[in-house]
Amino acid sequence: EVQLVESGGELVQPGGSLRLSCVVSGFSFSNYWIHWVRQAPGKGLEWVSRIKSDGSISYADSVKGRFTISRDNAKNTLYLQMNSLRTEDTAVYYCAARGHPGALDYWGQGTQVTVSS
Amino acid sequence: QSALTQPASVSGSPGQSITISCTGTSSDVGNYDYVSWYQQYPGRAPKLMIYEVTNRPSGVSDRFSGSKSGNTASLTISGLQAEDEADYYCHSYTSRNTHVFGTGTTVTVL
Repeated sequence: EVQLVESGGELVQPGGSLRLSCVVSGFSFSNYWIHWVRQAPGKGLEWVSRIKSDGSISYADSVKGRFTISRDNAKNTLYLQMNSLRTEDTAVYYCAARGHPGALDYWGQGTQVTVSS
Repeated sequence: QSALTQPASVSGSPGQSITISCTGTSSDVGNYDYVSWYQQYPGRAPKLMIYEVTNRPSGVSDRFSGSKSGNTASLTISGLQAEDEADYYCHSYTSRNTHVFGTGTTVTVL
């Protein structure tokens, strides 16, 4: 069974930093593209970042220069380092894995990040 | 990257068919067949319903179908059921090597 489990979300002050983790099981992690997607309270889904199996990375303009995605294939774990956090970064953050081309087949349950003073 | 445009809400009676549109540009929907659709219940993670414009993952009801014409993709739900009441999002790969979601559509079963 494919499982993605996020952790690391918490309350942080504006300007602060946080690192999210996503532990994956049930498939060959190193062969998959993995994404971070977020959803602000009462809002829609927003794509944040993606890392391919070859390590190639892409970011949304809203987080470029502040967030860093990485992966540790030995630990089957995806990370999102978030710096210079803003109130508008408050959201549930999901990790999701591509199964079919261009799609996000498998999703975690999400972790809540709240940026507030 | 602006979100793809979807209607805020669509409604229908049980048994009817409804269609949700997803309008992008020639830099995303219009240029790639990497369009997918997701269903999301409140407080739950999204679920993949359609990938590569028209394909259904294993286990998804054949009442769900997808299509695309130019810069607009569509999701059709046939034989509408109470359990279809949820939020739906389209998603596309873009020419900037990024991804973008639609604004989301709330489906209400009357």
